Amino acid sequence: DAGVIQSPRHEVTEMGQEVTLRCKPISGHNSLFWYRQTMMRGLELLIYFNNNVPIDDSGMPEDRFSAKMPNASFSTLKIQPSEPRDSAVYFCASSLAQGAEYGYTFGSGTRLTVV
Amino acid sequence: GEDVEQSLFLSVREGDSSVINCTYTDSSSTYLYWYKQEPGAGLQLLTYIFSNMDMKQDQRLTVLLNKKDKHLSLRIADTQTGDSAIYFCAESGGYALNFGKGTSLLVTP
Repeated sequence: DAGVIQSPRHEVTEMGQEVTLRCKPISGHNSLFWYRQTMMRGLELLIYFNNNVPIDDSGMPEDRFSAKMPNASFSTLKIQPSEPRDSAVYFCASSLAQGAEYGYTFGSGTRLTVV
Repeated sequence: GEDVEQSLFLSVREGDSSVINCTYTDSSSTYLYWYKQEPGAGLQLLTYIFSNMDMKQDQRLTVLLNKKDKHLSLRIADTQTGDSAIYFCAESGGYALNFGKGTSLLVTP
C-alpha cells in the first residue's frame, strides 16, 4: 500500500485565492482526519469523517474552510479566500475505526504558504 | 480542550538513553501513543500502549504508563543520531487523537 497520499506537497498562493488540498486515504480505512500543524498551536484537528460522512467539524476555523469526502478514496480541504494566517502544514490521516491500537496513518502533509 | 503536555526540547549524546515525558488529560483513554516526525514528513506511529498496561517494551523503546498520575514516558535506549526528530504523545479519549505539541530530540555525536 502506498500509504496516505496528499497533494500538492507544497503550495504557495496569494492572499484571497482559493486553495484546494487533496487526500487519498489507505484503501479499507473508514475514518479520515484533517489536521493542521503550526509552531504555535501544534496539531489541531480540523474535521473527522467516518464512512465518508463528516462527524465533527468543530475544529474548522471559520466558514472560509470546507471539506468534502465524495467517496471512500478521496477527500478535499478547501480554503476560500485564503489568508496569511492559514499558512501551516496540513495533514490528512486515515484509520480503521475499530483498529484504535494501530492509531492513524498520516500523509506527508501539504505545506501551505499564503503571501 | 485540555492540553497534552510535553517538554519542548531534549538533547542527548549518542549512545545514551533518552527519556521523553508526557502528561495526558483523559483518564478514559483506551490507548496512548507515541509518534515520531522527521523533518518534512508526516507523523509515524512508533508504539502504543493499552491503558491497562504499565509497561511495554519494543526493541530499543520502552513505554511506561502511570495511570494514577496520567503520566506517559518513552525511553529510547542507545540513542542514535537517526533518532533525532520530534516525538508526539497522543491520547485517544474519543474518536480522534489528541496530540501534545511534541518534544524535539537532538542527538549529538
